[in-house]
Amino acid sequence: EDQVTQSPEALRLQEGESSSLNCSYTVSGLRGLFWYRQDPGKGPEFLFTLYSAGEEKEKERLKATLTKKESFLHITAPKPEDSATYLCAVHLSNTGNQFYFGTGTSLTVIP
Amino acid sequence: ETGVTQSPTHLIKTRGQQVTLRCSSQSGHNTVSWYQQALGQGPQFIFQYYREEENGRGNFPPRFSGLQFPNYSSELNVNALELDDSALYLCASSPGLVSVNEQFFGPGTRLTVL
Repeated sequence: EDQVTQSPEALRLQEGESSSLNCSYTVSGLRGLFWYRQDPGKGPEFLFTLYSAGEEKEKERLKATLTKKESFLHITAPKPEDSATYLCAVHLSNTGNQFYFGTGTSLTVIP
Repeated sequence: ETGVTQSPTHLIKTRGQQVTLRCSSQSGHNTVSWYQQALGQGPQFIFQYYREEENGRGNFPPRFSGLQFPNYSSELNVNALELDDSALYLCASSPGLVSVNEQFFGPGTRLTVL
């Protein structure tokens, strides 16, 4: 069964303490992997799309990477404003236009 | 701000009732997708519309239906509401098919079924 798993479920970091979030997937026919940030009470905000293994994208303190089985979201020197839930989602080629989201990682950055 | 709006913000219904949720996409966005997000979970794909035609559907029963209009607005209709339908309902629009374009999400409608 196709599955998207994010880990850890929750992460608390001190300001400036770099870390990585993981998104692993057991799907076939990956067309794209998406990362989103979601603040409480708001809709997800797009961060990155990755299409093929080896691809990397960066935006400010965030860097997303993709392998054949997982993606990492690296956060370098995080600030309190980076606190949010980070969601990954996969778009599959063999299921029409279905998108599967993970359950997210809740990140808290402590000043 | 993404330019995607949803109404109402909150809604309370009772089991068995019907509900219509509305979404206004960004101008020029031909694709709209609807998601259901239960508390503490990731969004679950309900369906997608591209140029007013359904273009993909997730694992939701037929009592979940939708419409997309030429003016970039869309609706999600849910009949015979069940308690488990309580969730945040999100719409997301994109300028083309989502595989090559990012989605822009609205703030969501919080539906509570009593």
